[in-house]
Order: sequence, then C-alpha cells, then structure tokens
Amino acid sequence: EIVLTQSPGTLSLSPGERATLSCRASQTFDYTYLAWYQQRPGQAPRLLIHDVSRRATGIPDRFSGSGSGTDFTLTISRLEPEDFAVYYCQHYDNSLWTFGQGTKVEIK
Amino acid sequence: EVQLVESGGGLVQPGGSLRLSCAASGFTVFRNYMTWVRQAPGKGLEWVSTIYSGGSTYYADSVKGRFTISRDNSKNTLHLQMNNLSAEDTAVYYCAEGLHIVYFENWGQGTLVTVSS
Repeated sequence: EIVLTQSPGTLSLSPGERATLSCRASQTFDYTYLAWYQQRPGQAPRLLIHDVSRRATGIPDRFSGSGSGTDFTLTISRLEPEDFAVYYCQHYDNSLWTFGQGTKVEIK
Repeated sequence: EVQLVESGGGLVQPGGSLRLSCAASGFTVFRNYMTWVRQAPGKGLEWVSTIYSGGSTYYADSVKGRFTISRDNSKNTLHLQMNNLSAEDTAVYYCAEGLHIVYFENWGQGTLVTVSS
C-alpha cells in the first residue's frame, strides 16, 4: 500500500503570494493516478487536479499540478482569499484509494 | 447538474448499526463509480468503500466485514450499512462519485455519525 506524505503541515502565506505544496509517495507508481482536493472550513472536499496535472472543470488556472515518480506538487500561483483551506493529495492503486494527511494553507 | 445528498447520520451506541443513504441526481448511480469517504473530527480524509458500475465492491481494512455498500438503481440512491460501530467510526461521511475509477469528481455535503454511549 502506497503511503502519501504531504508537506508542510501548515503553510502561512499572504494573499497574492505563491503556494507550493508537496505530496511524496512511499513508492513509485507508473500511472498518473494522483489527484488534489481543496477543503474549505465546513465544506465538502472539491476536486482540483486529476491525473497529476489536469485541472478539473471550473478550476482557475492559478492552480497547477506537476510531478512524477514519488514527488508531486500543487502550486497556487497567486493566493486569493478563498484559497486559504486544507489541501489533500490522493492516489489510486488496485482498488485501493489513499489520501495524504493534508496541508493547511493559512493567512499569515 | 450533479447533486449528492446524504442522510441517515446520527447518534448511535457502540455496537449499534446505522444505514446511510446518498440520493443522487443529474446522473445514474449504476453507471458511475460510487464511493464513501469519511472524516473524523479534526482529522483528514479516509476512503471507506467503493462500488463499481459493474457491481463489484471494495472496502478499507478498517471497515471490512462490518460495512456494506449497495445501491438502489430504481431510486438512484447509494447506501452504506454500518454494523458493530465503535467510537473510531465517528466521522462525517461523504458520498462521492465519478466516471473515472481514479478520483472523486463530485461530493455531497456529508452526514455526521457519532458513536457514543
């Protein structure tokens, strides 16, 4: 079972700054089975990125995903007030879905 | 527009049972991958169970043998039967769906399950 480790646990930034979130897998996987979700306080998660780098429908282009092998990144180019939230990466393998523990992006 | 509305949560004693429902609209549950994900208070997301369009079912080890996922095609509804509940099952339970097996495209707002005496 692949374990996803996200870092940092908390990211303190100001609106307009760039956010870089990391998701590291415990072993390499060959397919692009990596997704990112945003969860605002009191709300359900929302799909942001799937297949490592493909934005979901309606997601602004300030969100981008990249990576391969064991290291994956979610980048928010310029933080808007509504982007302060918790972000989770997620992997699929052989009928098993796993989430990272999350990164909280908070206002500095 | 896809909509998922969960119901059935509440307070239950340890060892008890509860059945969650997820009413879907904007698509048909038997065509898509349907999933339950839970989130314990103040914690992260945990995959619980998925039912494939073909009917195959899969469970996290933490719930295997206690939880059963099913769907009612006539009512376009997903269910989660939860038996032998313990405090560790206390969480918000989200229903999610997608056309692709890998990720969860749309989510409901969740229903809270509290296991306590």
